[in-house]
Amino acid sequence: QVQLVQSGAEVESPGASVKVSCQASGYRFTDFYVHWVRQAPGQGLEWIGWLNPNTGATDYARKFRGRVTMTRDSSIKTAFMELSSLRPADTAVYYCVRRPKTGPYDYWGPGTLVTVSS
Amino acid sequence: SYVLTQPPSVSVAPGKTARITCGGNNIGSKSVHWYQQKSGQAPVLVIYDDDDRPSRIPERFSGSNSGNTATLTISRVGAGDEADYYCQVWDGSSDPHVVFGGGTKLTVL
Repeated sequence: QVQLVQSGAEVESPGASVKVSCQASGYRFTDFYVHWVRQAPGQGLEWIGWLNPNTGATDYARKFRGRVTMTRDSSIKTAFMELSSLRPADTAVYYCVRRPKTGPYDYWGPGTLVTVSS
Repeated sequence: SYVLTQPPSVSVAPGKTARITCGGNNIGSKSVHWYQQKSGQAPVLVIYDDDDRPSRIPERFSGSNSGNTATLTISRVGAGDEADYYCQVWDGSSDPHVVFGGGTKLTVL
């Protein structure tokens, strides 16, 4: 069955960077885009960007451009999302999500809590 | 940027029908997806492309979309349906491309 397994919770200081991983199984990794969505405590869902695991192409929400980098290692079916210059407002659960080129988010990872605190 | 507006909360008695709306400019021209998020869990897709249901979702869940409003309808509501519900669209012409509504907390009385 399709599974997205994410790395564990992280605690970072303001100004630091964090890299979250998302390992896929149960389907051909390169056939589906990987999107990243975050949710601050008690808040709604916010889209960060997407990665095409086949080509490595990416697209980021303007809000995050310059601070976010999405990459992949196809040999281990894993996508990565790195966010730099962290601030307390970046404290959130970060989800990786599978999406066909068009269509809905059909599978979600369990989420990775990133806490930014001094 | 494109904006989706949901009511913050909807309450319904057990066994009744809940309707959760999602408003957006000419949203009827877009494909709307709905996600259910129970406390402490990741969201789950319940309706896609306005009115299609994943196979694992009960028939009690249905959707519609026309004009400026999309609607998620849950019939015969039970305690297990209590959750936050989010609508979502893709808008390639705006930033961000993926837009979520603010979410609606469904309370079963």
